[in-house]
Amino acid sequence: SAVISQKPSRDICQRGTSLTIQCQVDSQVTMMFWYRQQPGQSLTLIATANQGSEATYESGFVIDKFPISRPNLTFSTLTVSNMSPEDSSIYLCSVAGYETQYFGPGTRLLVL
Amino acid sequence: AQSVTQLGSHVSVSEGALVLLRCNYSSSVPPYLFWYVQYPNQGLQLLLKYTSAATLVKGINGFEAEFKKSETSFHLTKPSAHMSDAAEYFCAVKGPLSQGGSEKLVFGKGTKLTVNP
Repeated sequence: SAVISQKPSRDICQRGTSLTIQCQVDSQVTMMFWYRQQPGQSLTLIATANQGSEATYESGFVIDKFPISRPNLTFSTLTVSNMSPEDSSIYLCSVAGYETQYFGPGTRLLVL
Repeated sequence: AQSVTQLGSHVSVSEGALVLLRCNYSSSVPPYLFWYVQYPNQGLQLLLKYTSAATLVKGINGFEAEFKKSETSFHLTKPSAHMSDAAEYFCAVKGPLSQGGSEKLVFGKGTKLTVNP
């Protein structure tokens, strides 16, 4: 299994600002994923990030709102841009392992 | 395409009682199925997975699940609940790459388990 860390673990932000979330993995992985978990809801995939290529976004998510970087095989960032209270969620990164995915601890974001 | 339905958003059991969390799936390809657990203020931890080998899968913390193709189900059970099992449980599905699936996981809405003393 992979050990995944995220920074920050939680944050409170003002509307209109942006927050960049970092995801670090202890081993090299090809595919990384970013999920959103809104309060009381399940996980929704935002995008898939492969090293060296543009992220692939799911329906309802756009690059201008959620730009993603994947500079190497152990690191990725997700930026939540021009935030509104509706962006208050837990954001989780995950990596593809053998026949499964492993998840980070999540970043808890509250937008006021 | 895949989808997952978890019956019961909240399940409450007494300590020592049987835990049964229900999951039904829909998949256009032979599925890989997963149960994840999320403890309060934590990320997701893999409990167990079915990947077309044995239909009865044993996981961590005494949990197990049985894949039943005829019922399109993958229910999670534990014979005796412990207070530490209180958490939210998510069932997820994906299709194997070799059969036209992808790495994307599709999650159910989750079941919150409460264990009463």
